[in-house]
Amino acid sequence: GAGVSQSPSNKVTEKGKDVELRCDPISGHTALYWYRQSLGQGLEFLIYFQGNSAPDKSGLPSDRFSAERTGGSVSTLTIQRTQQEDSAVYLCASSSGIATNEKLFFGSGTQLSVL
Amino acid sequence: AQSVSQHNHHVILSEAASLELGCNYSYGGTVNLFWYVQYPGQHLQLLLKYFSGDPLVKGIKGFEAEFIKSKFSFNLRKPSVQWSDTAEYFCAVTASGGSYIPTFGRGTSLIVHP
Repeated sequence: GAGVSQSPSNKVTEKGKDVELRCDPISGHTALYWYRQSLGQGLEFLIYFQGNSAPDKSGLPSDRFSAERTGGSVSTLTIQRTQQEDSAVYLCASSSGIATNEKLFFGSGTQLSVL
Repeated sequence: AQSVSQHNHHVILSEAASLELGCNYSYGGTVNLFWYVQYPGQHLQLLLKYFSGDPLVKGIKGFEAEFIKSKFSFNLRKPSVQWSDTAEYFCAVTASGGSYIPTFGRGTSLIVHP
């Protein structure tokens, strides 16, 4: 597609439920990033995928969070047993992954609300 | 690991006022620096970036930023803001030749009154 696509755009769930957030990066982009944006907290890095390399999971806040990227394209971020503090906007971004000075292309995000 | 500090969290200006948003980073080596902008209801997009050469970088919509290595700063400026500049602004850094993962600041919310 023309840009990074994320779905759903909004998700309301009950505490304790599992949620899956989807990201479809720009075609041909090998690098894919997940960030979390909380009010007043800026962008918090969660996980990074680059081609077929093992992902960098150093930003995942707990073992309730996991992500996978199938076929080097679409990625799914899963949050198990959601908590109220998980409420945030989850942003996905992609880049061609060639150099550290490249810009990231962001999706519109998924607004997650945990009741 | 690098970090980014944005000093102004909320800025309110009238149209035609001058703008300067502060950004300081913490990293001892060579860096790439970015400013991203998020207009209301839109996704984050790149405003400008610095990675080498002239430390004064010009971006879209009349914005510019100056990299001052001795001060570890990359402040964003615009001589005369418009109502349409109302947005959230984020500074970010990557280590040149290092991690591909940008570290972002907390962001600055800019409101421009017409």
